[in-house]
Amino acid sequence: SQQGEEDPQALSIQEGENATMNCSYKTSINNLQWYRQNSGRGLVHLILIRSNEREKHSGRLRVTLDTSKKSSSLLITASRAADTASYFCATAKYNNNDMRFGAGTRLTVKP
Amino acid sequence: DAGVIQSPRHEVTEMGQEVTLRCKPISGHNSLFWYRQTMMRGLELLIYFNNNVPIDDSGMPEDRFSAKMPNASFSTLKIQPSEPRDSAVYFCASTFRSGGAGGTDTQYFGPGTRLTVL
Repeated sequence: SQQGEEDPQALSIQEGENATMNCSYKTSINNLQWYRQNSGRGLVHLILIRSNEREKHSGRLRVTLDTSKKSSSLLITASRAADTASYFCATAKYNNNDMRFGAGTRLTVKP
Repeated sequence: DAGVIQSPRHEVTEMGQEVTLRCKPISGHNSLFWYRQTMMRGLELLIYFNNNVPIDDSGMPEDRFSAKMPNASFSTLKIQPSEPRDSAVYFCASTFRSGGAGGTDTQYFGPGTRLTVL
């Protein structure tokens, strides 16, 4: 299926440490996006990386994409307690209009 | 911009009752999506519209579910009759699709409607 799968399911770190989350998918894609969801809230878009890109940065976020391995990683540097949330990757298939979300990684950053 | 607006935020109903969830997308957006989120199944795409036209409703679980988008600023998701297994958080999202073969653009999510069917 097109749906992304995040790894690990849960991650707990100390404030200031880096957090790395991975996403794998099964079909060719046009782009891959990462979203964050705070408890009880809707998803918020973080970053989009297209299939012809290999790395992208946004503030403390760094996303990589390896289309040969059908995988992506999200790195959050110098984590803060406010980064505590669930993080989802979503893939969009080329010439298709819908996105499919993975099950998410639950990140806990301890102060 | 007020963002995507959903109502109600919480809904508690009894099995067999009709439930209507409402969504107002961001002004100017031309695509709208309905998702359902549960612990067991995660975030599932139910249906999406482009320019008010339903494009893919393959995610709609059963005939008990129906969705409409009568105009660019309003959409409803109706469940009739509701069942306890429909209990979930329902999200609406919108985006502006840039056209061509470029694929999906960033989606903006509403706060969700938490539905509990007793």
